[in-house]
Amino acid sequence: TQLLEQSPQFLSIQEGENLTVYCNSSSVFSSLQWYRQEPGEGPVLLVTVVTGGEVKKLKRLTFQFGDARKDSSLHITAAQPGDTGLYLCAGASGGYQKVTFGIGTKLQVIP
Amino acid sequence: DAGITQSPRHKVTETGTPVTLRCHQTENHRYMYWYRQDPGHGLRLIHYSYGVKDTDKGEVSDGYSVSRSKTEDFLLTLESATSSQTSVYFCAISDPWVGAANYGYTFGSGTRLTVV
Repeated sequence: TQLLEQSPQFLSIQEGENLTVYCNSSSVFSSLQWYRQEPGEGPVLLVTVVTGGEVKKLKRLTFQFGDARKDSSLHITAAQPGDTGLYLCAGASGGYQKVTFGIGTKLQVIP
Repeated sequence: DAGITQSPRHKVTETGTPVTLRCHQTENHRYMYWYRQDPGHGLRLIHYSYGVKDTDKGEVSDGYSVSRSKTEDFLLTLESATSSQTSVYFCAISDPWVGAANYGYTFGSGTRLTVV
């Protein structure tokens, strides 16, 4: 079983602060996705990264895939209350039929 | 939004009874998945399907069965519900042919199942 470890598990910050969450594995992935999940809803795909070292930006969110394609990070600049939620990383391998999910980082942004 | 709906959204059932959850998609995606989400465990794959009548087991398939008689519908059955199957169940769809850079799952809103 391929494991994805996310850290920290919980994060509570003030509005306007910056933060980084991490997703680490000993396995190599063909691609890695980040999702955000709000209470009572399913996860929503934010981004997919596929190339080692790749950086993608989505407004105030910056995603990076590690050079060896075993880890990834999500950096949020000037966090806002609307960023509150559970952030999940997921790694795909082989033929993309299945992905492995991390447990998630629960982020709370306090106004 | 991708068309994927789950029913029911909430269900309470008694131990030992069979339960069927339904996932319906309007995207004509080939792949469909059932996950359960539990605190401390994250999302775990129960079963998945790669076409009509083509299914395979995930990591936590014991006590569950699935059927896919049409592209758009994927059913999850708890053959004899137990308290350990109390969970939130998510259906997801994917299309591997969109290319790796855009690959990802689209999830339904989930079914909260309580077994008493």
